[in-house]
Amino acid sequence: GAGVSQSPSNKVTEKGKDVELRCDPISGHTALYWYRQSLGQGLEFLIYFQGNSAPDKSGLPSDRFSAERTGGSVSTLTIQRTQQEDSAVYLCASSPALGRAPDTQYFGPGTRLTVL
Amino acid sequence: DQQVKQNSPSLSVQEGRISILNCDYTNSMFDYFLWYKKYPAEGPTFLISISSIKDKNEDGRFTVFLNKSAKHLSLHIVPSQPGDSAVYFCAASEGNDYKLSFGAGTTVTVRA
Repeated sequence: GAGVSQSPSNKVTEKGKDVELRCDPISGHTALYWYRQSLGQGLEFLIYFQGNSAPDKSGLPSDRFSAERTGGSVSTLTIQRTQQEDSAVYLCASSPALGRAPDTQYFGPGTRLTVL
Repeated sequence: DQQVKQNSPSLSVQEGRISILNCDYTNSMFDYFLWYKKYPAEGPTFLISISSIKDKNEDGRFTVFLNKSAKHLSLHIVPSQPGDSAVYFCAASEGNDYKLSFGAGTTVTVRA
């Protein structure tokens, strides 16, 4: 079956512009996560959606970052007024969330964002 | 502050030999640990996991060892194969928290 897909695969933008990154999770997966990986760093948790519950936004680095998940499926991560330090690979993952944690997360290929 | 650390950014091993990847963590509340493997231009894929109630879990050529007192885990790959060349991430979670804390990764190169 289809895995997690993300678009675009690469995005180059100018400092100060807004960007939107899209994630299509695996069909039927109720949990969706966004992470980012800056150069030389591990994956950093950003936000987590689970069903109709309020998202866990505890990892968002600033109020320039926001995410939404429409209809419990597709998610969009928006970065406003991008800064050079936002340059990173943004990874989306989904999981079945069948019961209590932990839960195996399935990752998309990521979007490489470069802010000039 | 990184709670999961992989102090070796790279590892080179000959085909057929053992690869040992190490991971240290600082959060004593972590109770579930995972290893992910990542090829270039792909997302990480789940490899193997271990619960804190165990000290070893084996799956084919891959074995994960957990030393809770030392807050240390390791991944052994025996024998190493060229297809094992990838970046390996250690990750951990706490209780019912779905968030994963990741290390920075170790790039493994298996030489023919």
